[in-house]
Amino acid sequence: SQQGEEDPQALSIQEGENATMNCSYKTSINNLQWYRQNSGRGLVHLILIRSNEREKHSGRLRVTLDTSKKSSSLLITASRAADTASYFCALSGGSYIPTFGRGTSLIVHP
Amino acid sequence: NAGVMQNPRHLVRRRGQEARLRCSPMKGHSHVYWYRQLPEEGLKFMVYLQKENIIDESGMPKERFSAEFPKEGPSILRIQQVVRGDSAAYFCASSPAEFGTVIDYEQYFGPGTRLTVT
Repeated sequence: SQQGEEDPQALSIQEGENATMNCSYKTSINNLQWYRQNSGRGLVHLILIRSNEREKHSGRLRVTLDTSKKSSSLLITASRAADTASYFCALSGGSYIPTFGRGTSLIVHP
Repeated sequence: NAGVMQNPRHLVRRRGQEARLRCSPMKGHSHVYWYRQLPEEGLKFMVYLQKENIIDESGMPKERFSAEFPKEGPSILRIQQVVRGDSAAYFCASSPAEFGTVIDYEQYFGPGTRLTVT
C-alpha cells in the first residue's frame, strides 16, 4: 500500500499567517484524510476528502485535492499558536486501511 | 460518549519481558486498528480486528507480536520477549464501519501507549 509524502517536513510561521502543507502520492486513491497530532498525543481527525471532491472546508481549514496531479493541500488560515502540531495525510486506496505519511511539523510563533 | 481509551499510557519493560497494551474502542465501534509510531515517523499500520476476528494483520511482525479483540473486553496487543527496537508509541483507533461496505470513514484515535524497553 502506498504512503503519502508530506511537504514541507517542517514549517515555522508567525501567528496570523497562513500555513500550507502538501501531500503527494503515486497511485489512485478512494479518499484522503488529514490528521493533527499534538506532541505526545493521539491523532485528531481534521477532514476527509473523497476522490471525486476537489475542495472541502472546516472552520479555518481548507483542503484541496487534485487527482490529476496526485496531490492534496491543507491550508490553515490565520494560524494560532495552538495550531502548533504535526499534520499527517492518510490515504485509502485499494485497501481500506489508511496509510500515513511522515507528517509536517508546524510551529506557530506567538 | 468516552473516546478511545488506551492503557497504560506509559509502559517500561526490560528486554525479554512481555508487554500487554489495551485498547477500549468508542462505544458502538466494533472495528479496532493498531498502529506503531517511531520517533519523527508517521504511523505504521499493524493489525485490523473486529470482535473475535483478525481481519488484516499484514503489518504485524511475524514473531513475538499478537493481537486479539475478544467478544467482551478490550483489544489487546501483546509483545513477547521485547527488544529495544520495540520502543515506540502504539496507537489504537476504532471506527464504526462495517468491513467491505464503507470505504471512507473516520478513525478515532486513542492517546497511545508509549513503550520503553530498557
